[in-house]
Amino acid sequence: NAGVTQTPKFRVLKTGQSMTLLCAQDMNHEYMYWYRQDPGMGLRLIHYSVGEGTTAKGEVPDGYNVSRLKKQNFLLGLESAAPSQTSVYFCVSSYGPGSGNTIYFGEGSWLTVV
Amino acid sequence: GNSVTQMEGPVTLSEEAFLTINCTYTATGYPSLFWYVQYPGEGLQLLLKATKADDKGSNKGFEATYRKETTSFHLEKGSVQVSDSAVYFCALSDRVTSYDKVIFGPGTSLSVIP
Repeated sequence: NAGVTQTPKFRVLKTGQSMTLLCAQDMNHEYMYWYRQDPGMGLRLIHYSVGEGTTAKGEVPDGYNVSRLKKQNFLLGLESAAPSQTSVYFCVSSYGPGSGNTIYFGEGSWLTVV
Repeated sequence: GNSVTQMEGPVTLSEEAFLTINCTYTATGYPSLFWYVQYPGEGLQLLLKATKADDKGSNKGFEATYRKETTSFHLEKGSVQVSDSAVYFCALSDRVTSYDKVIFGPGTSLSVIP
């Protein structure tokens, strides 16, 4: 029972490099989200998806792109990494709209941009 | 817009002390309310939830009651243990928007000393 799996868990990038974070869930969830967690800022929504083939912007989308080609996967891309993108990234999934659906977190990806 | 406010930490308690972490929310609809816990180096785990007014969520000795009249969802535990040391996040899920938008409070760090 894997739940929500994120890869990689740790990564160090140089400014200007690109990378992709992969999120995979095996619960047949419709909704998937990418959050970043920063000290004193809490969790902020970057992008989200309400189903396969759909994506939408969250609170802090600039500098990131996402894709949801398959229902179980949600990719977060950084085209040109900046030090301000140093953060912990969490992928989250849930069944979809409804009463009090629980959201499930991945274990996090620690990204440092130098 | 919707928001969640938590008491600021860090909170330091002695083992077996009583814990209260205050949480209040602002929402236009009828949100579900959650408490999540984050242990060092890990993602967030659901601790408890309540989906409607006057519901009480409980788990592992923690409790919180959904109070619509005071827009609050305070977390309590009668006797904390060292293993309860973590960061606690209050969150709401808004059902009236086009997706399950989840808004988190900033988190409250709890340290329990023997």
